[in-house]
Amino acid sequence: DTGVSQDPRHKITKRGQNVTFRCDPISEHNRLYWYRQTLGQGPEFLTYFQNEAQLEKSRLLSDRFSAERPKGSFSTLEIQRTEQGDSAMYLCASSPIYIYGYTFGSGTRLTVV
Amino acid sequence: DQQVKQNSPSLSVQEGRISILNCDYTNSMFDYFLWYKKYPAEGPTFLISISSIKDKNEDGRFTVFLNKSAKHLSLHIVPSQPGDSAVYFCAASAGAGGTSYGKLTFGQGTILTVHP
Repeated sequence: DTGVSQDPRHKITKRGQNVTFRCDPISEHNRLYWYRQTLGQGPEFLTYFQNEAQLEKSRLLSDRFSAERPKGSFSTLEIQRTEQGDSAMYLCASSPIYIYGYTFGSGTRLTVV
Repeated sequence: DQQVKQNSPSLSVQEGRISILNCDYTNSMFDYFLWYKKYPAEGPTFLISISSIKDKNEDGRFTVFLNKSAKHLSLHIVPSQPGDSAVYFCAASAGAGGTSYGKLTFGQGTILTVHP
């Protein structure tokens, strides 16, 4: 068990480009969460999956954001037509069902220039 | 609308003394509360939690207190150690039942510095 893995750790992109992040959860965990954290703030909920089903999406998640979890294993978060306001740390976490103290990955830091 | 607030951006404590981190919430539907610790360049790490049916939960040097009437919780670290220096986040969930189960609302964080 290597914990929650996120790739890449850092991403610098030009405004208007598309980016995709990957998260590999702990293998036996059914739930997978995406959060976004900006400087001086706590993590903000974006979306979560139970197995392959996306159960909730935050209003923060505009139409430019999409997340998938095919086959209930790894997940991807795609941002289309990136904007400078998308610059943040994107955190993935996973847990068994009905466990709150979930395990976070180290995050992907996105910088949009 | 900040439903979970940590009003102290930072706290400085001497090694061996008590660290008290505070958190207030506004949503009456929150029924489960957690504290996370975060070191630079790492994701948050779960520390301790408490259900709304309790008013205290203890785990080694860490104790969380919940005052539901005041909508306030606190984390006590005794004794504080330099390795405790990190950012501490409180988080809350509106829990049992419904699709929001497991979704956490975080505070802004408090930077704790423990001096040797």
